[in-house]
Amino acid sequence: EVQLVESGGDLVQPGGSLRLSCAASGFTFSSYWMHWVRQAPGKGLVWVSRINSDGSVTNYADSVKGRFTISRDNAKNTLYLQINNLRAEDTAVYYCARDFGGKDDFWGQGTLVTVSS
Amino acid sequence: QSVLTQPPSASGTPGQRVTISCSGSSSNIGSNHVCWYQQLPGTAPKLLIYRSNQRPSGVPDRFSGSKSGTSASLAISGLRSEDEADYYCAAWDASLSGPGYVFGTGTKVTVL
Repeated sequence: EVQLVESGGDLVQPGGSLRLSCAASGFTFSSYWMHWVRQAPGKGLVWVSRINSDGSVTNYADSVKGRFTISRDNAKNTLYLQINNLRAEDTAVYYCARDFGGKDDFWGQGTLVTVSS
Repeated sequence: QSVLTQPPSASGTPGQRVTISCSGSSSNIGSNHVCWYQQLPGTAPKLLIYRSNQRPSGVPDRFSGSKSGTSASLAISGLRSEDEADYYCAAWDASLSGPGYVFGTGTKVTVL
């Protein structure tokens, strides 16, 4: 069974940092592009970042460039998102997704990040 | 990166056909495929359409997608109560400022 399980979400003060994780199982993790997508409470979906299968190519949304870093450890079947200098507008549920928009598209259930003092 | 434009709401009675539009530009829909997601309250999005008009395994053929120029559409035929959800389009945007995916603004479908 394919599973993506996000973790690491927390209540953080503005300016703080977090590292989100997404543990993959049930498929060959090292074969897929992986993505992060976020959704602020009551708002729409926003694509955040993607990384290719071996970690050599990354892309970011303009709104997070310079603060967010996507990475992966194929030996541990885990995707990461390092978030620095957190702002109130980063408050959202963060989803990891396999093969976003493709035939093998699959999403986790998300992890909540709340930025507040 | 820009945002794709969708109507905020759409509605129909059971059995009717509902169509949702998604308007973009030459840098996204005009030159790349479109995908569509359904999101039920409190759940992760589910892919309905990929490559503009392809359905993943398990998605009913009541859902269909099309694309023309810089716009795309999702049609739901034989509307059912369980189709009441938020729907989002998305496409790759080859913006010079930095490529990335862009989502539509979202459409809430209500079954009357």
